[in-house]
Amino acid sequence: AQSVTQPDIHITVSEGASLELRCNYSYGATPYLFWYVQSPGQGLQLLLKYFSGDTLVQGIKGFEAEFKRSQSSFNLRKPSVHWSDAAEYFCAVGVKEYGNKLVFGAGTILRVKS
Amino acid sequence: KAGVTQTPRYLIKTRGQQVTLSCSPISGHRSVSWYQQTPGQGLQFLFEYFSETQRNKGNFPGRFSGRQFSNSRSEMNVSTLELGDSALYLCASSPASTMNTEAFFGQGTRLTVV
Repeated sequence: AQSVTQPDIHITVSEGASLELRCNYSYGATPYLFWYVQSPGQGLQLLLKYFSGDTLVQGIKGFEAEFKRSQSSFNLRKPSVHWSDAAEYFCAVGVKEYGNKLVFGAGTILRVKS
Repeated sequence: KAGVTQTPRYLIKTRGQQVTLSCSPISGHRSVSWYQQTPGQGLQFLFEYFSETQRNKGNFPGRFSGRQFSNSRSEMNVSTLELGDSALYLCASSPASTMNTEAFFGQGTRLTVV
């Protein structure tokens, strides 16, 4: 079965500092990979996705992620964090054999200190 | 284009009752998926409907059911509510039958069982 691991439950970074959120997945083939962000009490907003092709993908709000097949990873990065980036971030895996089903990681809560 | 609309936004029910939640997908989208989000279990897939047919189902008891109408609107029903059913229920819509694009999420319905 597919699984997603986000090893960091909480991360605190200073405003203006760089950010990297880790995500590892377990799946036999190349999955579809996503990063979503959730503000308290809200739904999920897609930051970026990887289906195929270039392993470095750009998303909204200045985020990017790199797919590394050898490490089964899809880490999210941002060069300079803004206070408004404070939220919970979810990595998700989709498998085309299962339609539009997504398997989510446990999430990483990002705190930004000024 | 209107986004995914979930109603109601908040709901309080008593243990043993049943509840119906509604989701209106983005116009033209034919796939609707439901997820349960709790602090302990995170985001878990409930089921997916495409063209009025359930295509995938998560590992939830039979008390959780759903359906999709010809206009793609979907409802999920939980019977004999338990305290542990308190959660944020999220609906996601996708245009296609396979995962070749992103899923768009609604803001969710917050269900509290007392």
